[in-house]
Amino acid sequence: ILNVEQSPQSLHVQEGDSTNFTCSFPSSNFYALHWYRWETAKSPEALFVMTLNGDEKKKGRISATLNTKEGYSYLYIKGSQPEDSATYLCAFIQAGTALIFGKGTTLSVSS
Amino acid sequence: ETGVTQSPTHLIKTRGQQVTLRCSSQSGHNTVSWYQQALGQGPQFIFQYYREEENGRGNFPPRFSGLQFPNYSSELNVNALELDDSALYLCASSLGTSGVYNEQFFGPGTRLTVL
Repeated sequence: ILNVEQSPQSLHVQEGDSTNFTCSFPSSNFYALHWYRWETAKSPEALFVMTLNGDEKKKGRISATLNTKEGYSYLYIKGSQPEDSATYLCAFIQAGTALIFGKGTTLSVSS
Repeated sequence: ETGVTQSPTHLIKTRGQQVTLRCSSQSGHNTVSWYQQALGQGPQFIFQYYREEENGRGNFPPRFSGLQFPNYSSELNVNALELDDSALYLCASSLGTSGVYNEQFFGPGTRLTVL
């Protein structure tokens, strides 16, 4: 059974803090890793699609890295703002399968 | 640009009933995927349709079925509802199959409650 693990399950930070989350996935037959941000009462929104070992992607204050050999990806948020409060989902694709999602990391940023 | 929409927003059914959920894909997208998110879990892949044909299926029984129409809108049908079918149902559209290199554009979901 393919499993995607995300940690921590939830965290609470103060405005201005930087934070990071982990997504762990099986390292064999890797195809791609997706990161999504899901704000309450909205639709999940794609942040990054990562395909190559060593990939680093950045969108504003949010960045992600990928290590396919050891099976993990990190998502970093620099200088967290209250509008960053959301659940962050990663989803893994192995050859021949669809997106397999983790349970997400719920971030709460207080001002 | 039109985003992905889903209807209805909320739905309450009783065990044994049938339900149809609807999804309108983002303009120009020919692939739609459906996911079930139970409480405390990540979204689970139900199936995917590409150009009106089922293109992959997750570990869901046959009472979960779908359709994709020529305009790429889609339906998810669930027969003989069970209590465990209570969940948020998400659809996502994308260009091309499998979503391997393509981000998925999600709708806001339909919350189904089975009593």
